[in-house]
Amino acid sequence: GAVVSQHPSRVICKSGTSVKIECRSLDFQATTMFWYRQFPKKSLMLMATSNEGSKATYEQGVEKDKFLINHASLTLSTLTVTSAHPEDSSFYICSAESGKNIQYFGAGTRLSVL
Amino acid sequence: AQSVTQPDIHITVSEGASLELRCNYSYGATPYLFWYVQSPGQGLQLLLKYFSGDTLVQGIKGFEAEFKRSQSSFNLRKPSVHWSDAAEYFCAVVFSGNTGKLIFGQGTTLQVKP
Repeated sequence: GAVVSQHPSRVICKSGTSVKIECRSLDFQATTMFWYRQFPKKSLMLMATSNEGSKATYEQGVEKDKFLINHASLTLSTLTVTSAHPEDSSFYICSAESGKNIQYFGAGTRLSVL
Repeated sequence: AQSVTQPDIHITVSEGASLELRCNYSYGATPYLFWYVQSPGQGLQLLLKYFSGDTLVQGIKGFEAEFKRSQSSFNLRKPSVHWSDAAEYFCAVVFSGNTGKLIFGQGTTLQVKP
């Protein structure tokens, strides 16, 4: 149980285009999902908290117009990187909260912006 | 400030040897404590968690961790390491009042020698 699917696992795009990443909780409902960014050989940096049916809460320094988050259902949250640039290249990981304070993670998305 | 520290960036152990990965957190109240493992290019897998009760918790893959309030520590242990345990290990904490937000340590890279 508690499986989180993240898609795509890898995406390569041209600078200036937008990329959408999906995060799904497959066998449980998640009122809250989280989006993280991980730099090479670094820890996870929380970007935003996504709550179903309401606006996401962004961490300080994260551009909400750059990283659009939608959480339209209890099993799906999406992160859209708008007008991507090479500096947005990174490993993005989502998680979904199952029960109190337990997060289960997706396998991550490797974004490469050319 | 709320923080999580993993003092060891990189640890190498021989296969079959015992392992202990250190984790310390700052703050007064007892938080919720987690250990996650990440294989290269993958998401995070929950190894174990501590919320309350018995301070020695058992997890998957033969791992255990002990919460020591007096030392603000939650060290991860395994009696006999297998080559497949080579990975990145993250200690993470939900501090009281943080509505589920995980604060991660810097991570410890475990290398296993044959």
